[in-house]
Amino acid sequence: DVKVTQSSRYLVKRTGEKVFLECVQDMDHENMFWYRQDPGLGLRLIYFSYDVKMKEKGDIPEGYSVSREKKERFSLILESASTNQTSMYLCASSAGGEANEKLFFGSGTQLSVL
Amino acid sequence: QKEVEQDPGPLSVPEGAIVSLNCTYSNSAFQYFMWYRQYSRKGPELLMYTYSSGNKEDGRFTAQVDKSSKYISLFIRDSQPSDSATYLCAMITGGGNKLTFGTGTQLKVEL
Repeated sequence: DVKVTQSSRYLVKRTGEKVFLECVQDMDHENMFWYRQDPGLGLRLIYFSYDVKMKEKGDIPEGYSVSREKKERFSLILESASTNQTSMYLCASSAGGEANEKLFFGSGTQLSVL
Repeated sequence: QKEVEQDPGPLSVPEGAIVSLNCTYSNSAFQYFMWYRQYSRKGPELLMYTYSSGNKEDGRFTAQVDKSSKYISLFIRDSQPSDSATYLCAMITGGGNKLTFGTGTQLKVEL
């Protein structure tokens, strides 16, 4: 069974802390994505990656960075966490090519920044 | 105006009812249309996938796309309490690299 695993289910951090969210997929997928999900706003794309060491900005990249050193792993970094980054963060992957639209999601990380 | 509009609900129906969930969109370049289901405190999972206009059926679920009206629907027959979830529509252009999601409709099927 395909799997996207996010390292933490819940995280509580303080304003100004550097935060790392980790995501691992076991499907040998080319593409990986980071979304945040907020009530009334739906899913918004932060960053995505087509390949190792490649990254592309999504719709709301400000305040975030990403790292993809290995194909199976995609990390989201909050350089200096702020309260408006309190959200549910969802990692996803897709095979790419004609299957680009079929995303597989992790269970999410609920981040609270105090 | 958002590219994809979806009524957030909540929508509450009795068990066994037929449920209709809908999205409208403004970008005529969208060619692939999806419905994702998201249970509480879980990530979304792909439920239905259609290309261009027409219907697709999978068990109790039917996805319908009307590109001329820029309108997509998901029908659930004989709804069950286990169908209680948030349903997100999503779409992508041909050759596109990122999905555009609706905000989701919360559905509750009551006994």
